[in-house]
Amino acid sequence: KNEVEQSPQNLTAQEGEFITINCSYSVGISALHWLQQHPGGGIVSLFMLSSGKKKHGRLIATINIQEKHSSLHITASHPRDSAVYICAVRRAIGDKIIFGKGTRLHILP
Amino acid sequence: DVKVTQSSRYLVKRTGEKVFLECVQDMDHENMFWYRQDPGLGLRLIYFSYDVKMKEKGDIPEGYSVSREKKERFSLILESASTNQTSMYLCASSSTSDRDTGELFFGEGSRLTVL
Repeated sequence: KNEVEQSPQNLTAQEGEFITINCSYSVGISALHWLQQHPGGGIVSLFMLSSGKKKHGRLIATINIQEKHSSLHITASHPRDSAVYICAVRRAIGDKIIFGKGTRLHILP
Repeated sequence: DVKVTQSSRYLVKRTGEKVFLECVQDMDHENMFWYRQDPGLGLRLIYFSYDVKMKEKGDIPEGYSVSREKKERFSLILESASTNQTSMYLCASSSTSDRDTGELFFGEGSRLTVL
């Protein structure tokens, strides 16, 4: 079983819809990252959080440490949000970073 | 603007060739990482370095070596490239000087094809 699981693996939605991507993990962590990867390769860090909630523009990330779960929300989704979204956790012991396999999001105009 | 720069976006090499992938960061970060990314497998750690001249094996180090002679540069070396090393290679860096950040910065990736 993977230590970091993301759902869904693929998501297609219409422009304007509210999007939720989920991440569950099974190890103790010191931080959780949400990353975005557009076609062509480059990965951009969206959020790093260890508790609570963070907001940046139309993106919101939440984490529940007790339940070992995080969500990434996109409000008023737009075709330019189409990308792969990756959840990654930094282990509390040893500092190793473990990546989920990503969620491929496609927003239709 | 912070930057992680990988030397080549696309490379095509032949089986048995020696391949160098270079990564440079301008943020004075202590930590640098090399990952490969394959469809269905996500990002897998090959090697990482916490300081100059220090290196640690990641999850899939076989067939690879690394070099970190200067703080800003972390090189990945394929001594004898094989077709199963065809992949997207991503370099990343982070700082541990401020434990509240530790944000990861990635390069644009190097897509290697071994024929």
